[in-house]
Amino acid sequence: AQTVTQSQPEMSVQEAETVTLSCTYDTSENNYYLFWYKQPPSRQMILVIRQEAYKQQNATENRFSVNFQKAAKSFSLKISDSQLGDTAMYFCACIVPGAGSYQLTFGKGTKLSVIP
Amino acid sequence: NAGVTQTPKFRILKIGQSMTLQCTQDMNHNYMYWYRQDPGMGLKLIYYSVGAGITDKGEVPNGYNVSRSTTEDFPLRLELAAPSQTSVYFCASSYLGWTEAFFGQGTRLTVV
Repeated sequence: AQTVTQSQPEMSVQEAETVTLSCTYDTSENNYYLFWYKQPPSRQMILVIRQEAYKQQNATENRFSVNFQKAAKSFSLKISDSQLGDTAMYFCACIVPGAGSYQLTFGKGTKLSVIP
Repeated sequence: NAGVTQTPKFRILKIGQSMTLQCTQDMNHNYMYWYRQDPGMGLKLIYYSVGAGITDKGEVPNGYNVSRSTTEDFPLRLELAAPSQTSVYFCASSYLGWTEAFFGQGTRLTVV
């Protein structure tokens, strides 16, 4: 089974600055997908960005981008021009379709605070 | 644009009571999931379903049951509630197992 590790329980960033959240994962499979989900205080889980393991190009969604290092099994999230609305818990997650359970495995999360 | 709807949003149960958490989605997704989120932890999969009539256990299924009689609905049943089941529960659905999962707003359950 896959594992996901987020080593930064809490981080803070000044508004308009850039911050990078770390995530490492482990799986023996070659076909898998990686995700970053955001959970604001409202509790709603919202997809931020998705990366297919077979794609070398790093995914980008507006101010959010990833640094996907497949050999190192690293999947960090960069948030540029941080805004107050980015304050939330961020979860890294991995799914391995071939494993049969279609289970999204989550890390423990990083609590990000954007400071005005 | 409803997406995934969970009810109730909050509930307090006494030890030994039973209840059903309701989940419905209007996106015609085949895949549906129940997760629980404990403080300081990520989400853990309880049960999932890949279509009507098909369910399977996730990582933490003990103390729970599910059924999937329609594409839209995926209720989670708690039998004989225990304090260890105090958690926030999320229902989710996706078009395929590896595509974006859409989550409900969660149910905060407290067992006393």
